[in-house]
Amino acid sequence: EIVLTQSPGTLSLSPGERATLSCRASQSVSSANLAWYQQKPGQAPRLLIFGASSRATGTPDRFSGSGSGTDFTLTISRLEPEDFAVYFCLQYSTSTRTFGQGTKLEIK
Amino acid sequence: QVQLQESGPGLVKPSETLSLTCTVSGGSISGYYWTWIRQPPGKRLEWIGYIHYSGTNNYNPSLKSRVTMSVDTSKDQLSLRLRSVTAADTAVYYCARLGICSGGCLADHWGQGILVTVSS
Repeated sequence: EIVLTQSPGTLSLSPGERATLSCRASQSVSSANLAWYQQKPGQAPRLLIFGASSRATGTPDRFSGSGSGTDFTLTISRLEPEDFAVYFCLQYSTSTRTFGQGTKLEIK
Repeated sequence: QVQLQESGPGLVKPSETLSLTCTVSGGSISGYYWTWIRQPPGKRLEWIGYIHYSGTNNYNPSLKSRVTMSVDTSKDQLSLRLRSVTAADTAVYYCARLGICSGGCLADHWGQGILVTVSS
């Protein structure tokens, strides 16, 4: 089973700043089958990025994903107030999907 | 817009069977894979398994001996049964559609989730 480790656990930033979130895999994620989701309290998770770098329909272009192999990054270029939420990564390259533990992005 | 809604008991006794239903609206269950995912309090999400509308399924090995998923295409519903539950099965349970297939398939639409507590 591929273990995904996200860092940092909590990120405190101000609107307008740049956010960089990391997701590291315990073994290589083939075909960059890595996705990022955003989750707000009481809401269903929202798909942001799939294939490591492809934006899902409706994802603003301030969100970008990068990486391959075992190291992946979600970058939010300029934070908007609605971006403060929990973000988690998912690998779907193996038959047993696994998730990262999440990064909480909070307002500083 | 596809919407998913989980339903079922919020409280299940230890050793009994957890049974949940996911109703799909705004779209058909046919043509897609569907998945169940859960999140125990304070822990990361855990993939339970997925099922194709035809009935083909794949379960997480850690839960395989206790899980059964099924689909009812006539009602656009999917179901989850988890037998012999313990307190460790207390979690928010989500259903989701595996609507984007790029390499593998991943969830693009999720339900709001339902909290199921296992307690006597």
